[in-house]
Amino acid sequence: DTGVSQDPRHKITKRGQNVTFRCDPISEHNRLYWYRQTLGQGPEFLTYFQNEAQLEKSRLLSDRFSAERPKGSFSTLEIQRTEQGDSAMYLCASSLEQGGNQPQHFGDGTRLSIL
Amino acid sequence: KQEVTQIPAALSVPEGENLVLNCSFTDSAIYNLQWFRQDPGKGLTSLLLIQSSQREQTSGRLNASLDKSSGRSTLYIAASQPGDSATYLCAVRPSSQGAQKLVFGQGTRLTINP
Repeated sequence: DTGVSQDPRHKITKRGQNVTFRCDPISEHNRLYWYRQTLGQGPEFLTYFQNEAQLEKSRLLSDRFSAERPKGSFSTLEIQRTEQGDSAMYLCASSLEQGGNQPQHFGDGTRLSIL
Repeated sequence: KQEVTQIPAALSVPEGENLVLNCSFTDSAIYNLQWFRQDPGKGLTSLLLIQSSQREQTSGRLNASLDKSSGRSTLYIAASQPGDSATYLCAVRPSSQGAQKLVFGQGTRLTINP
């Protein structure tokens, strides 16, 4: 069990550029979640996948954001035309849901800074 | 809409003390409540998960309780150590149909002084 892996750890970019983050969940976890955390706040839910299907999206996920999990394994989160307000830590989590209450396991996040 | 509150926002205690962190939530319709630890610049480490039917969970020096009807949870840390310094977050999973997300509090920043 290697844990949830996120890449890159840090991303600095200019306003208006596109960025893409990757998340590799714990092997065989069928659920994958994306959250966003700003300084001094708790994480806020963005979206989640069960296998390859994106089943829930937060209103925080504007049309500039898109997430995919094409083969039900790793996931990508893309932000187009980045804005200053997109600066945050983007956290990925995964869980194995088999009809019970299973904990979500988080990665170390990708910290995005918009210049 | 579910809201989670953690008080205090920051806590500083001397090493060796027992301490309690508080978490409250507005809607008692939850599947579970999870406590996490977050070190600066890092992700979240899951500490304990309490299912809605449970009253408490224990792991080592940590004990978490849940009173669903009053919308409260506490995390008790025994014999605190400097290595316990971190931000502690609680999160609930609402039991509304299809809800899979966690709703987080803002966290309590804990400092243990040697």
